[in-house]
Amino acid sequence: KNEVEQSPQNLTAQEGEFITINCSYSVGISALHWLQQHPGGGIVSLFMLSSGKKKHGRLIATINIQEKHSSLHITASHPRDSAVYICAVRSNPGAGSYQLTFGKGTKLSVIP
Amino acid sequence: GAGVSQSPRYKVAKRGQDVALRCDPISGHVSLFWYQQALGQGPEFLTYFQNEAQLDKSGLPSDRFFAERPEGSVSTLKIQRTQQEDSAVYLCASSLARGTYNEQFFGPGTRLTVL
Repeated sequence: KNEVEQSPQNLTAQEGEFITINCSYSVGISALHWLQQHPGGGIVSLFMLSSGKKKHGRLIATINIQEKHSSLHITASHPRDSAVYICAVRSNPGAGSYQLTFGKGTKLSVIP
Repeated sequence: GAGVSQSPRYKVAKRGQDVALRCDPISGHVSLFWYQQALGQGPEFLTYFQNEAQLDKSGLPSDRFFAERPEGSVSTLKIQRTQQEDSAVYLCASSLARGTYNEQFFGPGTRLTVL
């Protein structure tokens, strides 16, 4: 089973700061997801990537397949970015490849 | 509808009661997933449907948990004789097809509290 580790577990930032959240995994994957979860439970998919880099607004996600590592960056952070950010990976094609294995999440608080 | 919906959003049950949690996936989505998220943890896989077929139920924690999707759209997760350790948020997700690169769309979850 893939082990997914996120760091840091908790992060407090001042509004406007550049934020980085890290995710590492133990076994080769076919895709990695970054998800955002607000209080109340709803999860929103931010990115799904299998190589390189993706950008959407102030959010940037990168992945290094060789190092089994991904980062989520938030530029010019804002209080509305406060949420739990979760990394999830999908194993390589084969049995169980549709399953996502999730990290425990990084709780981000952005202070005005 | 525009997204995945789940009902109820909150459920309080007394220990020993049976509960049923409903998921309405995005129309036309073939794949449907159930996840369990304990407080402070990431979601854990429970079960997976492709249309009406339950292809994987390896994550169901005990035989008290049962899921169905009889017509390949709406799904119900049933928990019999609830225990306190069943308290969690139950998340449903759907995706358009069965390939490995399909994005999963999540519902808002049902928060179950067992007293």
